[in-house]
Amino acid sequence: DQQVKQNSPSLSVQEGRISILNCDYTNSMFDYFLWYKKYPAEGPTFLISISSIKDKNEDGRFTVFLNKSAKHLSLHIVPSQPGDSAVYFCAASDSGYALNFGKGTSLLVTP
Amino acid sequence: ETGVTQSPTHLIKTRGQQVTLRCSSQSGHNTVSWYQQALGQGPQFIFQYYREEENGRGNFPPRFSGLQFPNYSSELNVNALELDDSALYLCASSPGQGALDEQFFGPGTRLTVL
Repeated sequence: DQQVKQNSPSLSVQEGRISILNCDYTNSMFDYFLWYKKYPAEGPTFLISISSIKDKNEDGRFTVFLNKSAKHLSLHIVPSQPGDSAVYFCAASDSGYALNFGKGTSLLVTP
Repeated sequence: ETGVTQSPTHLIKTRGQQVTLRCSSQSGHNTVSWYQQALGQGPQFIFQYYREEENGRGNFPPRFSGLQFPNYSSELNVNALELDDSALYLCASSPGQGALDEQFFGPGTRLTVL
């Protein structure tokens, strides 16, 4: 039962434009959300997170938005750079031990 | 500072065999979590070890077991391998328990079961 869903397997964006990656979740007990980035042959690396008490968190070019009523979050990358090309995983936690991951979205930023 | 390392990188086994995967935590981290990432899927939580004790487990059968050693390195053991066990196995270490502490992932071990 997939509790975290990333419905877009892939996304292609031109360099300098905005990349928007979306994520939906079904478990209302989730209260902490994270985005991880994964390059080939490397483990996922933490990118940015947001607590359920906030609706926005910003870190440089990366901003995560949370809409609790819609059980939806999104990651905005502005401006997108070729080095941002990677697989992005959305993850959620209910403050327990596990991170619940989506299937990932492969982002390609073209020059 | 050394990051999380895993060995071996790749492994091929046959059905019914047993396998042991290893993980060295990042320095100063006392918690290790293991995840299974099947092809085309996101990582799925197997279990977490904190100071040598299992303190959280996902929906995996008992043939998946683990150990954490006093130096906080860890092993994942899988008995009676099945074809569906073919996956990338990721280890993550963190400075504290739970999922809220930042988890640092290793590059993974690719297991193929024939």
